[in-house]
Amino acid sequence: DQQVKQNSPSLSVQEGRISILNCDYTNSMFDYFLWYKKYPAEGPTFLISISSIKDKNEDGRFTVFLNKSAKHLSLHIVPSQPGDSAVYFCAASGSADGLTFGKGTHLIIQP
Amino acid sequence: DTAVSQTPKYLVTQMGNDKSIKCEQNLGHDTMYWYKQDSKKFLKIMFSYNNKELIINETVPNRFSPKSPDKAHLNLHINSLELGDSAVYFCASSPGTSGRGGETQYFGPGTRLLVL
Repeated sequence: DQQVKQNSPSLSVQEGRISILNCDYTNSMFDYFLWYKKYPAEGPTFLISISSIKDKNEDGRFTVFLNKSAKHLSLHIVPSQPGDSAVYFCAASGSADGLTFGKGTHLIIQP
Repeated sequence: DTAVSQTPKYLVTQMGNDKSIKCEQNLGHDTMYWYKQDSKKFLKIMFSYNNKELIINETVPNRFSPKSPDKAHLNLHINSLELGDSAVYFCASSPGTSGRGGETQYFGPGTRLLVL
């Protein structure tokens, strides 16, 4: 039973355009959400997070939006750069220990 | 200076063997974790360990045991390795004492275990 879902296994975006990665969750106890970026043969690297009391958090080119009523969050990257090509994991935490991860979306930035 | 480090990076071993993976963090964090990424690429929590309190994911076989000699280290011992244990194992740490939500976790580079 997947509590965090990333329904797009991959996404291709042209360099300079906006990348939008989506994530849905089912557990209403989740109160903190994170995005991680992962390159091959490396560990996940923390990118940006958002608490459930907010609906937006911005850090440079990265913005995370949270829609609690829809149990949906998204990561916007603008402008997209070649170095952004990686697998992006959505993760959530709440009453249980540890993070619950989605399956990841492979973002490919095309020149 | 690696914040969360793991050794070894690769581990190839025979079924039935016992092996250990080491994890160290130099961030001064209070809580450490072990995650497993299986062949379907799901990252799943196995354990969290804080101040000698161990929280175990109930789906983890008791062949897996975390051992923490001090706050900066959380090693993973695996007894009687099985083919299905082949996966990438990630160590992580977070600042807080509860090991619960609201904190950012920082991950190590992973240990790729292959059981033959």
